[in-house]
Amino acid sequence: GAVVSQHPSRVICKSGTSVKIECRSLDFQATTMFWYRQFPKKSLMLMATSNEGSKATYEQGVEKDKFLINHASLTLSTLTVTSAHPEDSSFYICSATQGWDTGELFFGEGSRLTVL
Amino acid sequence: GNSVTQMEGPVTLSEEAFLTINCTYTATGYPSLFWYVQYPGEGLQLLLKATKADDKGSNKGFEATYRKETTSFHLEKGSVQVSDSAVYFCALSDRNQGGKLIFGQGTELSVKP
Repeated sequence: GAVVSQHPSRVICKSGTSVKIECRSLDFQATTMFWYRQFPKKSLMLMATSNEGSKATYEQGVEKDKFLINHASLTLSTLTVTSAHPEDSSFYICSATQGWDTGELFFGEGSRLTVL
Repeated sequence: GNSVTQMEGPVTLSEEAFLTINCTYTATGYPSLFWYVQYPGEGLQLLLKATKADDKGSNKGFEATYRKETTSFHLEKGSVQVSDSAVYFCALSDRNQGGKLIFGQGTELSVKP
């Protein structure tokens, strides 16, 4: 199947700093990528939909200025958590689709962010 | 709006027991349905899927049938193994919403030897 890779897998940062997480589709072109957040023992919450070459569409309640998403190419989307605070600590997961035909998403391994 | 509801966990079974994890959905269109699995410390993996009513998805001994009349997509396995211990997520994807996945809350399965 298609491969999606995230980097870094783990990051620890100080409060007030910004952290960038990359999501790459390794063997296919992803016109659309999605960013999810997963809290411990909880389900995945969709944060935003990222389309190549256009602005991301954020879900209700997600701060656009806090979670900056850029989808500069068909194989790369980035999520930047700006001025991170401890409450931003979470597991962030990206996914990508090859197209609607199957509706199937391919997930990255996830990135665990810990803000001290 | 679209939503997915799963039975609450954790579910604890003995090896070789029969597994059922219930999943029901609400959708305005004609969604595709999925089961994803997350093993401890790993990312999400697609377990199986069904794209239209009455389709049966199957993989690794797991099965689920897309039931439009009951809006359900229950996950079953006849004989679970310790290695099946994981969190299972039911999800739907609706073409009318650009293909994004809506997840259920996840059900943790623990299989004891």
